[in-house]
Amino acid sequence: SYVLTQPPSVSVAPGKTARITCGGNNIGSKSVHWYQQKPGQAPVLVIYYDSDRPSGIPERFSGSNSGNTATLTISRVEAGDEADYYCQVWDSSSDLWVFGGGTKLTVL
Amino acid sequence: QITLKESGPTLVKPTQTLTLTCTFSGFSLSTSGVGVGWIRQPPGKALEWLALIYWNDDKRYSPSLKSRLTITKDTSKNQVVLTMTNMDPVDTATYYCAHRPTTYSSNYFDYWGQGTLVTVSS
Repeated sequence: SYVLTQPPSVSVAPGKTARITCGGNNIGSKSVHWYQQKPGQAPVLVIYYDSDRPSGIPERFSGSNSGNTATLTISRVEAGDEADYYCQVWDSSSDLWVFGGGTKLTVL
Repeated sequence: QITLKESGPTLVKPTQTLTLTCTFSGFSLSTSGVGVGWIRQPPGKALEWLALIYWNDDKRYSPSLKSRLTITKDTSKNQVVLTMTNMDPVDTATYYCAHRPTTYSSNYFDYWGQGTLVTVSS
């Protein structure tokens, strides 16, 4: 089955840029979606189709995907961005949904 | 406005069968392309996709849990039901249902329920 690998944690100072990676075999050929989950809350979709933002998601959130790595980039990080972030793909070969292991973003 | 809400027991005993209901509004599960999925999250751990049912009653299951899961829909009631047999303490988790958009290639979840915590203990 398809595996997505995320770093367990990323730390960033307020106002700086955070980059959270999601690794997978030839992930660049798939569409990657990203979710933000704050403590005690349900996940929220922040990026879909690699780089599209749902309405209401700040432009500070962006995404890219190429080769074996997809990246969620959060610019001008704010304290309110502190959360767990999960990448997700649909594996067409098996018609199954796959989530990464999640990355905890800490705002210093 | 799309909303989903999970309901079911908060506590089940080992070996019992868990039945969870997702009641939704703001969309119809008879609309072409729509799907409803179930995702769980053990305390302090990652999200795990469990199952998904499409508008046309096509179903997909996580390979690791396929033998224990059944997903069904009741379009008239706007409900999706997930059953999981032979529950074990490792199945303790928050269970979420979520909406898959209608577009053919939209294999993500844009709306989620609040989740329901299920504890497996004797």
